[in-house]
Amino acid sequence: SQQGEEDPQALSIQEGENATMNCSYKTSINNLQWYRQNSGRGLVHLILIRSNEREKHSGRLRVTLDTSKKSSSLLITASRAADTASYFCATVETSGSRLTFGEGTQLTVNP
Amino acid sequence: NAGVTQTPKFQVLKTGQSMTLQCAQDMNHNSMYWYRQDPGMGLRLIYYSASEGTTDKGEVPNGYNVSRLNKREFSLRLESAAPSQTSVYFCASSGLWSPEGDEQFFGPGTRLTVL
Repeated sequence: SQQGEEDPQALSIQEGENATMNCSYKTSINNLQWYRQNSGRGLVHLILIRSNEREKHSGRLRVTLDTSKKSSSLLITASRAADTASYFCATVETSGSRLTFGEGTQLTVNP
Repeated sequence: NAGVTQTPKFQVLKTGQSMTLQCAQDMNHNSMYWYRQDPGMGLRLIYYSASEGTTDKGEVPNGYNVSRLNKREFSLRLESAAPSQTSVYFCASSGLWSPEGDEQFFGPGTRLTVL
């Protein structure tokens, strides 16, 4: 069963706008990771946030984690057409070391 | 460095045929994984190998077997392919096996169709 659930399933924005994707999960976690997948390609790791962290930045990416609500958000600022991809959250539960992926958000950035 | 490589890129099988998907990594990683991705879904773990010489079942292991040939290579075998195994298969590796997990590096995928 999927641990993470992304919202929305699909998001379409204009270049330059910000994109926010949300992820909810069900159990206690060690960390939460975000990955990007371009069409027909493998996944690429974007950022990892640990359970004792609340916010993390990497370039134009900002990730927040609220363990009390069991949710995370990924913000991409000043989006570009090249950001068009599927974005997945994945969690590592406290009971194990394996990644469990959500179903992803399909982001389309229109030029 | 090539990272994680997978062969073949595409494969069409008939029901009942067998095949082996190959995966290799050149990052000296200890842990390797096999996932499948079905349309509109996230990845589901089939098998993983925390370190050379060990393998364990993931979420959807039925119909598959794996071999951790050495530290670099981790193969996935379908003994008798079924249409339900039509999917895109991804191999991944990570540097260490720890209770906190680690970022994973993915190969480009193998697109498998079973008729």
